[in-house]
Amino acid sequence: DVVMTQTPPSLSVAIGQSVSISCKSSQSLVYSDGKTYLHWLLQSSGRSPKRLIYQVSNLDSGVPDRFSGTGSQKDFTLKISRVEAKDLGVYYCAQTTHFPNTFGAGTKLELK
Amino acid sequence: QVQLKESGPVLVQASETLSLTCTVSGFSLTNYGVIWVRQPPGKGLEWMGIIWRNGNTDYNSALKSRLSINRDTSKSQVFLKMNSLQTDDTAIYYCTGGWFAYWGQGTLVTVSS
Repeated sequence: DVVMTQTPPSLSVAIGQSVSISCKSSQSLVYSDGKTYLHWLLQSSGRSPKRLIYQVSNLDSGVPDRFSGTGSQKDFTLKISRVEAKDLGVYYCAQTTHFPNTFGAGTKLELK
Repeated sequence: QVQLKESGPVLVQASETLSLTCTVSGFSLTNYGVIWVRQPPGKGLEWMGIIWRNGNTDYNSALKSRLSINRDTSKSQVFLKMNSLQTDDTAIYYCTGGWFAYWGQGTLVTVSS
């Protein structure tokens, strides 16, 4: 199975600050169609996960452009600019290139 | 508007079989696959399996011997069955579609010994 390693496991942030979360996969996430199926999810406390970014860098509808995703092959980053209170929660990277699909262990974003 | 909703028992005895239903609206099961994901309390997400739009399935190898996923397209329902439950199967069970774009609210299943 593809192992997704997320760092850091937690982040303390002040409102307005920018943060980055890293996600590294044990195998390349480039599919045979040339696309990379790496996604970012946010799970706010007590809620279902919500997808923010799909295929590395595409923002889902309604997701502010303070969020951005970059990366390729096995190394990916989520950046959040000007963090707001509603951004707090646990962020997961997820890959759907290989089966079984797998998730990172999560990065908890908390207020400093 | 796409919606998914899980339903099923909240308490299951150890060694018994869990049966959950995911009822979808706003899309056809013949156009999109549905994935089951679970989350033990306070822990991360585990991918369980998928039923593709053509009805084929893929399972997490760690669960494959105990898990089956089926569907009834006429009712827009996807079914999860997992047998030989143990206490560490206690989790919130989610169904999700559109490659995690859409999620149900999840259902907490507690396995009692």
